[in-house]
Amino acid sequence: KNQVEQSPQSLIILEGKNCTLQCNYTVSPFSNLRWYKQDTGRGPVSLTIMTFSENTKSNGRYTATLDADTKQSSLHITASQLSDSASYICVVSANGGSQGNLIFGKGTKLSVKP
Amino acid sequence: DSGVTQTPKHLITATGQRVTLRCSPRSGDLSVYWYQQSLDQGLQFLIQYYNGEERAKGNILERFSAQQFPDLHSELNLSSLELGDSALYFCASSVHSSTGELFFGEGSRLTVL
Repeated sequence: KNQVEQSPQSLIILEGKNCTLQCNYTVSPFSNLRWYKQDTGRGPVSLTIMTFSENTKSNGRYTATLDADTKQSSLHITASQLSDSASYICVVSANGGSQGNLIFGKGTKLSVKP
Repeated sequence: DSGVTQTPKHLITATGQRVTLRCSPRSGDLSVYWYQQSLDQGLQFLIQYYNGEERAKGNILERFSAQQFPDLHSELNLSSLELGDSALYFCASSVHSSTGELFFGEGSRLTVL
């Protein structure tokens, strides 16, 4: 069964600190992996999209890594800000990349405290 | 602002009723997707339309239906509503049917009492 597991479920850090969120997947055949940021009650916003051949991608203070061999990805947030408080969702695309076959993780809820 | 517009933002109704949620995709995007997000759950894919045609179907209940109109806006119809249908319903759009960036709307929050 195609699954995306994220850890931790929730995380509290102090402003200015770094953190790393994890995503493990059992999705086959793999096409791409995406990280989204979702503010409470808002729509998800894309941070990164990585294909099989990419093992790191950055978007400002966000850096995603992908290990297709171990089927693991991480999202590293550097110098966190209060506005980083949100849920971060890992999404894996299967079956040739069809948007209808996106498998969503349940997200990691990040709280950044002053 | 993603460019995807969803209405209404909030909707409160009673069990057994029927509601329609509306989505206008980004200008130029041909694909529209509907997702359901229940409390503390991940997004669940419901259905995809591409240029007016149904392209993919997920875990959409028979009580739910959708369509995409010639002007590319889409509607999700939910009928015989149950308490468990209370959720955030998101619409997303993309240029292509199978690849590329997904842009999400702000969602419609449905509460069934």
